[in-house]
Amino acid sequence: AQSVTQLDSHVSVSEGTPVLLRCNYSSSYSPSLFWYVQHPNKGLQLLLKYTSAATLVKGINGFEAEFKKSETSFHLTKPSAHMSDAAEYFCVVTSNYGGSQGNLIFGKGTKLSVKP
Amino acid sequence: EAGVAQSPRYKIIEKRQSVAFWCNPISGHATLYWYQQILGQGPKLLIQFQNNGVVDDSQLPKDRFSAERLKGVDSTLKIQPAKLEDSAVYLCASSNGLAGFYEQYFGPGTRLTVT
Repeated sequence: AQSVTQLDSHVSVSEGTPVLLRCNYSSSYSPSLFWYVQHPNKGLQLLLKYTSAATLVKGINGFEAEFKKSETSFHLTKPSAHMSDAAEYFCVVTSNYGGSQGNLIFGKGTKLSVKP
Repeated sequence: EAGVAQSPRYKIIEKRQSVAFWCNPISGHATLYWYQQILGQGPKLLIQFQNNGVVDDSQLPKDRFSAERLKGVDSTLKIQPAKLEDSAVYLCASSNGLAGFYEQYFGPGTRLTVT
């Protein structure tokens, strides 16, 4: 069985300071991991993905995440927050094999607030 | 490239009524997904199609929900009869393939309110 746990439901940072959104996963097989962002009244947008290549993954808008198998973590970071980063962020796991391949398992989300 | 299209964007119905949502995936995408996103939660997969065949519908409440993709292109999700707990955003997504490493592209969603 697969699952993800987003450790913070709400994170608040000041503009220009670093962002850290934490995610732990559980998977029976070698997983693919994703971070999606959802702005209010907009669709889900893929930020970045890990699919068993480089463990440090760079995404759009300056975000990156590091896959750490020993810690079963896939935390999302950004060196400097921008006001436009305020949104809901979802950590997602899926399998590449078996009957549930492609079934995205979403975490409960972390709402990021950015203060001026 | 046109994205995933969904309609309607918003729908308000009374409980026990029926409702249908439509999705047109990105051209050429064989795999189509329907997700339910309840307020404050992450999306949950309802059903997954590969062309016009169902791959996974294990989380679809089949007593009231149904979905079809007859020609392997666009898809319809229906709820009959609706319950209050069906209030949610219904998201459609499509991808090039089944495996997890294929990116899923999401539509804007249909926000359903059941009163």
